[in-house]
Amino acid sequence: EIVLTQSPGTLSLSPGERATLSCRASQSISSSYLAWYQQKPGQAPRLLIYAASSRATGIPDRFSGSGSGTDFTLTISRLEPEDFAVYYCQQYGRSPRTFGQGTKVEIK
Amino acid sequence: QVQLVQSGAEVKKPGASVKVSCKASGYTFSSYYMHWVRQAPGQGLQWMGIINPSGGTTIYAQKFQGRVTMTRETSTSTVYMELTSLGAGDTAVYYCAREGERWPPSHFDYWGQGTLVTVSS
Repeated sequence: EIVLTQSPGTLSLSPGERATLSCRASQSISSSYLAWYQQKPGQAPRLLIYAASSRATGIPDRFSGSGSGTDFTLTISRLEPEDFAVYYCQQYGRSPRTFGQGTKVEIK
Repeated sequence: QVQLVQSGAEVKKPGASVKVSCKASGYTFSSYYMHWVRQAPGQGLQWMGIINPSGGTTIYAQKFQGRVTMTRETSTSTVYMELTSLGAGDTAVYYCAREGERWPPSHFDYWGQGTLVTVSS
């Protein structure tokens, strides 16, 4: 099973600041089969990024993904108030599909 | 528009079973795989398994083998997840999620609203 480790666990930032979230895999993820999801309290996860760097439909361009192999990054260029949430990475190249433990982006 | 609408919250006693439904609309039901993911209170996301609505074939996460059954009803575009021998550790929100493409492997592009299952004596 591919284990995904996200860091940091919590990121305390102010609106307008840049957020950089990391996701490291225990094995190389083929063809960049990696996605990022955003989850707010009481809501289902929402797809942000797929194939490591492709934005999902309707996702603002302040969200960007990068990386390959075992190291991936989600960047939010300028935090908006609605961006404070928990973010999960997921690999879907190999079964079982696995998720990272999440990074919480909170208001400083 | 694509919608996945799940059944309502359940309260079950330890040892019981629960069956959660997920009704799909807005797309061709048999053309997209469906997954089940659960989330315990305050915890992360845990993948449970996948069903191919076209043929009904399934793959389950090892953790749930022997306790979970995923089925589908094509006439109503509904998938089901049944979990047996419930324990307190099964208290969670259960989500269905559609896989974006049949091949190659794909992300989850649409999610149900979630169904809270509470296991309590």
